[in-house]
Amino acid sequence: EADIYQTPRYLVIGTGKKITLECSQTMGHDKMYWYQQDPGMELHLIHYSYGVNSTEKGDLSSESTVSRIRTEHFPLTLESARPSHTSQYLCASSEYGGYGYTFGSGTRLTVV
Amino acid sequence: AQSVTQLDSHVSVSEGTPVLLRCNYSSSYSPSLFWYVQHPNKGLQLLLKYTSAATLVKGINGFEAEFKKSETSFHLTKPSAHMSDAAEYFCVVTTTQGSSNTGKLIFGQGTTLQVKP
Repeated sequence: EADIYQTPRYLVIGTGKKITLECSQTMGHDKMYWYQQDPGMELHLIHYSYGVNSTEKGDLSSESTVSRIRTEHFPLTLESARPSHTSQYLCASSEYGGYGYTFGSGTRLTVV
Repeated sequence: AQSVTQLDSHVSVSEGTPVLLRCNYSSSYSPSLFWYVQHPNKGLQLLLKYTSAATLVKGINGFEAEFKKSETSFHLTKPSAHMSDAAEYFCVVTTTQGSSNTGKLIFGQGTTLQVKP
């Protein structure tokens, strides 16, 4: 049974649309992360949060934004989707820094 | 700076034969290292992790990995491959800021494991 949930699982959307990828966890973890994975490539950290009202940009530059108003919720928003945003987005949370990571199943985004 | 390099982008083995997926890391401090597996259209699953305890780490599904500091390696092995092992495998290192673990993960490029009948 998953403790971290991502919705939608798949999304196909037109250029210029605003989208929000949802991520929720039920474990009470303070630390949450968003990773981006292009097909056949490694994952790159694009956003992270160490707690409520804390958000930081990751190692890979991204036009997306995140918010952390509640501990359990860490949504990612693209104000105007472009084909270059087509990718898989994985959300994760952890209790002790690099240990005890739990990943969601991911959202596969296609922008046409 | 920390980094991780998976030496093979693609490994092909026959069912029942041993598996070796190679990983080298670079880290200023004692690293925490992980192997994750990603089956097609599935999320990432943790196979095993090394966190400065025993250097030989046993994971799920018969996988194990040995941390060798002198060689800066953390290779993943399994004595006998199953068809269900076919997947993408990622070697991962945590980043550090000074001597503190930041909690951020750096992923290798991934190794695709193909298992032939």
